[in-house]
Amino acid sequence: KQEVTQIPAALSVPEGENLVLNCSFTDSAIYNLQWFRQDPGKGLTSLLLIQSSQREQTSGRLNASLDKSSGRSTLYIAASQPGDSATYLCAVILGNAGNMLTFGGGTRLMVKP
Amino acid sequence: DAGITQSPRHKVTETGTPVTLRCHQTENHRYMYWYRQDPGHGLRLIHYSYGVKDTDKGEVSDGYSVSRSKTEDFLLTLESATSSQTSVYFCAISGTGDYEQYFGPGTRLTVT
Repeated sequence: KQEVTQIPAALSVPEGENLVLNCSFTDSAIYNLQWFRQDPGKGLTSLLLIQSSQREQTSGRLNASLDKSSGRSTLYIAASQPGDSATYLCAVILGNAGNMLTFGGGTRLMVKP
Repeated sequence: DAGITQSPRHKVTETGTPVTLRCHQTENHRYMYWYRQDPGHGLRLIHYSYGVKDTDKGEVSDGYSVSRSKTEDFLLTLESATSSQTSVYFCAISGTGDYEQYFGPGTRLTVT
């Protein structure tokens, strides 16, 4: 069974710092990996999707990388802002499991002004 | 934002009553999903649909049924609600190809 782990569970940083969120998965036969943001009491917003054949994706201040062989992905946030405060979730789809997303537990990020 | 709405957004019901949650999309996407989110368990897939009248079970399907009679609507039914089904329920959609999933705003269900 695919397991997805996110470390750390919570992170507090001062505004302006560059930071890295980590995601690891146990089965490397993934189809794609997706990073989401969730604000309190809200739904999930898709940030980046990385196909299994890709190494990284970028959107604005966000950069996500994927290393299938080691079962890891990182989300890099440059020049963090208080508005980046949220919970960040990663999720993977196995290549042979239809479209079922398996989620990590999330990293709760607080960016202090 | 992807055109996904969920109704109701909040509901309180009693144990043993039937409950139906509705997900409506305007994107004409093929795939639709129901997840639940619980503290300590994260997000887990309940059921999903890969076309009209085509559905399959997810990780936590016991006690739930679904129906999809039109491309745009996916219904989740709790036949006899239990307190363990108190949760936040999210609907998601995806197209073909990369299967990127887009989520609705959620329904907070409380079973007393």
